[in-house]
Amino acid sequence: DAKTTQPPSMDCAEGRAANLPCNHSTISGNEYVYWYRQIHSQGPQYIIHGLKNNETNEMASLIITEDRKSSTLILPHATLRDTAVYYCIVRNDSWGKFQFGAGTQVVVTP
Amino acid sequence: SAVISQKPSRDICQRGTSLTIQCQVDSQVTMMFWYRQQPGQSLTLIATANQGSEATYESGFVIDKFPISRPNLTFSTLTVSNMSPEDSSIYLCSVGGGYGGYTFGSGTRLTVV
Repeated sequence: DAKTTQPPSMDCAEGRAANLPCNHSTISGNEYVYWYRQIHSQGPQYIIHGLKNNETNEMASLIITEDRKSSTLILPHATLRDTAVYYCIVRNDSWGKFQFGAGTQVVVTP
Repeated sequence: SAVISQKPSRDICQRGTSLTIQCQVDSQVTMMFWYRQQPGQSLTLIATANQGSEATYESGFVIDKFPISRPNLTFSTLTVSNMSPEDSSIYLCSVGGGYGGYTFGSGTRLTVV
């Protein structure tokens, strides 16, 4: 599975959009991009995933570049409860395991 | 998505002893995964546990240290054997796959003294 690169930390103001980048330049054609987050002392929580089209659900939007070498997770209106470590993971979706990178620590401030 | 119950939620153990962590899922699943999260670190996959076969361990993890059982499609255990303070971590089980996401348990916080 391809590796991902994320900034180690980001700050975001409450009520503003948070845009979390992820680089996955070695992604292959059958690999999906997944986003998870881990709030302190909890297990990771699924947010969203996609292959090449942009995706939106009740939690977030996922924008994948046309060449699929990078993506951005958008939290449209960040709240204090969105403070967490966000993980971008690339995986072949037909089978297998997740390998977590270091993730981005997002701190939402009032 | 599946609901996972992990027990115990936390424990403090003496070095040299062993702890068995249980993972119970509310539905039948083919694959279960065990992760370790050391303090301040990301998650590291320990092994994949499929029912009816031996677990597959990742590099750096061995069966003698982390034996895993998978007696049926809703249950698995991970044992941390002969513990040392370096084993102090959060241990998490996970299920899922396919085109959906993975579900994680809330974890077992282990402190070895």
